[in-house]
Amino acid sequence: EVQLVESGGGSVQPGGSLRLSCAASGFIFSNYGMNWVRQAPGKGLEWLSYISSSSSTTYYADSVKGRFTISRDNARNSLHLQMNSLRDEDTAVYFCARGVEGYDIWGQGTLVTVSS
Amino acid sequence: DIQMTQSPSSLSASVGDRVTITCRASQSISSYLHWYQQKPGKAPKLLIYAASSLQSGVPSRFSGSGSGTDFTLTISSLQPEDFATYHCQHSYSIPYTFGQGTKLEIK
Repeated sequence: EVQLVESGGGSVQPGGSLRLSCAASGFIFSNYGMNWVRQAPGKGLEWLSYISSSSSTTYYADSVKGRFTISRDNARNSLHLQMNSLRDEDTAVYFCARGVEGYDIWGQGTLVTVSS
Repeated sequence: DIQMTQSPSSLSASVGDRVTITCRASQSISSYLHWYQQKPGKAPKLLIYAASSLQSGVPSRFSGSGSGTDFTLTISSLQPEDFATYHCQHSYSIPYTFGQGTKLEIK
């Protein structure tokens, strides 16, 4: 079965760090660009970051540039998002998603809560 | 940044109705427009990519059209399982912004 499974969410104080992971299975992970997308409670979707299949290209939304870092390990079929200097407004469910022209596979999401 | 504006923000309709949701880009995005369906507590599901291509496994009652700045998602005959929130997203340039969503509710 083709699937993505996120992990690493939790509660953290403002200014803290978290590392999210996304485990891929059922497809050739190294063939696909990958993304992180988040959704704050009761809000719409926000694209955060993209990494190409070989990690040669990365993009970020301005809201997370300089604080978040996307990476991948094709040998381990995993995608990561290192989140530093977390703010209250980073509270959201974080999804990993496969693809470039439309995201055809999504994980179930992992909740990140930033609060003092 | 390219802004994506969906209309309406919410919509009430009945089973069997034909429904159209609109997404407008703040500048031309050619056909780099995708539509998703999301149900409460679930991840989004890709319905339409590249403005008008139906994703594999998606019922044919869903269709997409448009290019440039104006796009539509049409559901030809609403089914009970179609009541959800619909999101558009462009992939023309960074950042790949989403619309604010359209919540489709049962009348």
